[in-house]
Amino acid sequence: KAGVTQTPRYLIKTRGQQVTLSCSPISGHRSVSWYQQTPGQGLQFLFEYFSETQRNKGNFPGRFSGRQFSNSRSEMNVSTLELGDSALYLCASSSTGTSGGNPSRSEQFFGPGTRLTVL
Amino acid sequence: GIQVEQSPPDLILQEGANSTLRCNFSDSVNNLQWFHQNPWGQLINLFYIPSGTKQNGRLSATTVATERYSLLYISSSQTTDSGVYFCAAPSGSGNTGKLIFGQGTTLQVKP
Repeated sequence: KAGVTQTPRYLIKTRGQQVTLSCSPISGHRSVSWYQQTPGQGLQFLFEYFSETQRNKGNFPGRFSGRQFSNSRSEMNVSTLELGDSALYLCASSSTGTSGGNPSRSEQFFGPGTRLTVL
Repeated sequence: GIQVEQSPPDLILQEGANSTLRCNFSDSVNNLQWFHQNPWGQLINLFYIPSGTKQNGRLSATTVATERYSLLYISSSQTTDSGVYFCAAPSGSGNTGKLIFGQGTTLQVKP
């Protein structure tokens, strides 16, 4: 089974621009989560999508947004880029089914990441 | 929300030595994951271990959920074991895909 893929792998942008990152989950996985990793803040949760709906959101400004398509692929968008947005952006997929009608947790698998540099 | 703390922050070993990395979490969890971040930044899954002990080659992990900690053991370390090790736990009973990560343990194995 193919793993999680992310495109592009590297990106250089300037302040004020916007950027869109893409993530394709493992086949059959319906949950996609996004994380930002910086040297100062470590790994921080951005948001999670499940069945095209945002199910969870981290503590990031509204400039950070995302969506999920019917094939479970997900995109995240950052508008009006700031220098502090330079980071490694990781996405993870999981199968997260349901148990008794409630979402059940399952193992998350990560993609290789997109390294964004804002100049 | 849950807090995850890892120790030690840094560890330097001679090749062949054994090591134990610790992960403490502030609330009960029903799953816990250990990762190794490779030099290119990808998080490689090591263990998914809500409780009990698992082994995979030279690596093993134990989670004692009632005491809110997990341990990662690396035996006969090799230079390829170098890198950053993270543990992560889900946040809250109502949250599913939101993992809270520790700050990581940076391991350097010297030849």
